[in-house]
Amino acid sequence: GQQLNQSPQSMFIQEGEDVSMNCTSSSIFNTWLWYKQEPGEGPVLLIALYKAGELTSNGRLTAQFGITRKDSFLNISASIPSDVGIYFCAGHDAGGTSYGKLTFGQGTILTVHP
Amino acid sequence: DAGVIQSPRHEVTEMGQEVTLRCKPISGHNSLFWYRQTMMRGLELLIYFNNNVPIDDSGMPEDRFSAKMPNASFSTLKIQPSEPRDSAVYFCASSLRGAIETQYFGPGTRLLVL
Repeated sequence: GQQLNQSPQSMFIQEGEDVSMNCTSSSIFNTWLWYKQEPGEGPVLLIALYKAGELTSNGRLTAQFGITRKDSFLNISASIPSDVGIYFCAGHDAGGTSYGKLTFGQGTILTVHP
Repeated sequence: DAGVIQSPRHEVTEMGQEVTLRCKPISGHNSLFWYRQTMMRGLELLIYFNNNVPIDDSGMPEDRFSAKMPNASFSTLKIQPSEPRDSAVYFCASSLRGAIETQYFGPGTRLLVL
């Protein structure tokens, strides 16, 4: 099946620093998504990407859909303590019987020190 | 409008017992997804429904797991008999058909099987 490798697994940063994380896939996706999960809650969608090469921002968050359609990255600028959580990438392949199924990365645990 | 509602939020049971997890999707959403999250395997899709019909249950681990969606506003995930390795957080998510990216997750049910 499809595999997503997300890195890094965890990050410990100081408030104000920029953060970068990425996902690579063994196969092509036609949609890339980035979610954030806080303790005791379900994942919440941050950014959705639909086209290869697309660069999309949501406040201090910026994500890109790789040209090869096999990778994506998420950047967080000027981190703040409330950015703490687990960030997940997810890919969707609309082809064949995969329609509707998201494949998730393993997650990046972000800790921000004030 | 209320989000996805899951019950119970926490469940502790003994091996061999039947466990039933419940989900109420967002009103008007016609796709429903059941996920399992563990440290080892991350977030895995178990099964999803469109218009109350199961579309893909290839993620259901084994025959001990079953899911139903008797109507548009209610779904259950049942484990019978439960085993310690079933301990995980189970999420329900819903979306509008065709809007794969906007899956809204519930708060999850944290299951511990002793």
